[in-house]
Parts: sequence; C-alpha cells; structure tokens
Amino acid sequence: DVKVTQSSRYLVKRTGEKVFLECVQDMDHENMFWYRQDPGLGLRLIYFSYDVKMKEKGDIPEGYSVSREKKERFSLILESASTNQTSMYLCASSPWGLAGGPSKTQYFGPGTRLLVL
Amino acid sequence: KNEVEQSPQNLTAQEGEFITINCSYSVGISALHWLQQHPGGGIVSLFMLSSGKKKHGRLIATINIQEKHSSLHITASHPRDSAVYICAVPTYQGAQKLVFGQGTRLTINP
Repeated sequence: DVKVTQSSRYLVKRTGEKVFLECVQDMDHENMFWYRQDPGLGLRLIYFSYDVKMKEKGDIPEGYSVSREKKERFSLILESASTNQTSMYLCASSPWGLAGGPSKTQYFGPGTRLLVL
Repeated sequence: KNEVEQSPQNLTAQEGEFITINCSYSVGISALHWLQQHPGGGIVSLFMLSSGKKKHGRLIATINIQEKHSSLHITASHPRDSAVYICAVPTYQGAQKLVFGQGTRLTINP
C-alpha cells in the first residue's frame, strides 16, 4: 500500500515564526502536491512538484515556498506564519503520468492542522 | 481552467436509503476522481473513471463525458458511509494537477 506521512498532525505556531511541514511518500512517486483545506473553499493547490528540485506554483502560493531535494520528501515552508494561514494542510503524491494522458490517482497523507496565534 | 460543481452540499438520509451525489465540470477531461474524507481528515481515493460506470461494493460511479457530468451512488446506505465526498477533475485536458469540488457532506442516520 502507498503510504504518505506528514510530520505532525497538529501544530501551534506564533505569528512571524518560520514553519516547516514535511511530507514523505514511500512509493517512488514522481508527483507530489501540497494543498490547504478550508471550510467552504475545498482543497486548493499551493504547490506541485513533478521531480526532484522541480516545482510549480498552484492556485495560492503566496506566503509559501517548497523544497524537494529527494524524490520521497516534499517540504512546505511558511516563511513568516500569519493568522490567515491557519488551516488544514494536506500532502499527496501520484505516479508520473504521460503528458496529455489521464490524471493519476493521488494518495493523501493524514493532514496537519496548523493553528497560527 | 476547469471548474467543478457538486450537489448537494449537504445530504442527510436514513440508513438503507439510496444516495446520489452529482458532479459537473466545465472542460473536457480524460478522467474524473471521486474521493472520500472521514472526520479527522484522511482522504482516500474511491474511483478514477474515464467512461461508463465503475462499482466497488455498494458504491457506484458513473460518468457522461459528453454532458460533463458524473454521479456517485451509494446503495443500502449505512451510518459508516457518513463522510465528505469530493469530486476532482484535471485543471485542463491532460493535466496531472486536479481541481476539486467543494464536497458533499453525507450523514446517514441509523
């Protein structure tokens, strides 16, 4: 079974702190994703990585950065946390898909509920 | 960019009822995903389908590519089916990135 793990289930941080959220997958997937989920807004893509050191901005990248130094690990960084970044953060991975081909099933981690005070 | 609409947003039913959740999207796609999220947050993929119908236990997913519409049905619903059901489609034809519906919160009462 594919396993996607996230470093914390719950996290409380202060405004202005630098926050690292880590995601690890064990199925050698090329694609990794960071989402945030807010009531009424659904899942929104923050960043997407399709290979080591490769990344693309998603719909809401402002205030976030990412790092992918190893294939299995994808980190989300909040450079200076703000209260409007309080949210549920979900990581996902999927295998490589042919360009123009059907989208692949994404496998999700358990999520990190972040509270910024 | 694709847009996704799900209906209803909330659905409460009695155990044993037949459930239907609908999903419409705006741009032609090659695959559509149905996901389930239980309280506590974990999301699991239920189906990925590109045509016709798929069945897994009491869950059935159908898609009409021409009408850009999919339905998720649950037969003989049970309280353990209570969850949020989410439809997702590629952001555009051939993309690996997905755009998600807002979800349907299903509650099945005993």
